[in-house]
Amino acid sequence: QVRLQESGPGLVKPSQTLSLTCSVSGGSITNGIYYWNWIRQPAGKGLEWIGRIYVRGTTNFNASLKSRVTISIDTSKNQFSLNLSSVTAADTAVYYCARQPISTTGPEFDYWGQGALVTVSS
Amino acid sequence: QSALTQPASVSGSPGQSITISCTGTSSDVGSYNLVSWYQQHPGKAPKLMISEVNKRPSGISNRFSGSKSGNTASLTISGLQAEDEADYYCCSYAGSSTYVFGTGTEVTVL
Repeated sequence: QVRLQESGPGLVKPSQTLSLTCSVSGGSITNGIYYWNWIRQPAGKGLEWIGRIYVRGTTNFNASLKSRVTISIDTSKNQFSLNLSSVTAADTAVYYCARQPISTTGPEFDYWGQGALVTVSS
Repeated sequence: QSALTQPASVSGSPGQSITISCTGTSSDVGSYNLVSWYQQHPGKAPKLMISEVNKRPSGISNRFSGSKSGNTASLTISGLQAEDEADYYCCSYAGSSTYVFGTGTEVTVL
């Protein structure tokens, strides 16, 4: 059974960079049949797609966040990571990582992590 | 990319059917048959319920069905059950390998 687990600091200061890692177990991140996504949800609000990465390093991003987002992949550790720079309080949210089969162009996020709460505050 | 529009809340009695709408534009919902629906219980990660407008993943009850007309997609839950009480989100392909979620709908079982 595939399992995704987010990890990283729960508190980040304004203007600094938010960094999270998603560890994948129960399957190899290098099998090339999935995209690996980041999605966030502010408390009491809706979901927002942040971006994704493919094992070969190809990335796609939400246009509204593109200038501040980096997504990378570490195949040796079976992990992928999110960096969001110049954070403000508006970036406070639960951050989810999610798997997406490449067999469809559609938003089919079939496995999700449990989510990691990141608070931006001084 | 503006969020797709969903009603804030929908309610129904056990056994009834409810429908949740998801309105986008000709740049997202209207252009692609690539709309998914997610169910989210409090404190939990979202769960995929419908993909490609009307396809149910393995293990999803046939009480859940999807459809689309023009720029609006819909999720219908028939035979409403207490366990269906949750938040529901639509999500559409928006072109250029990007995605947009809906504003979310709280479903209450009366």
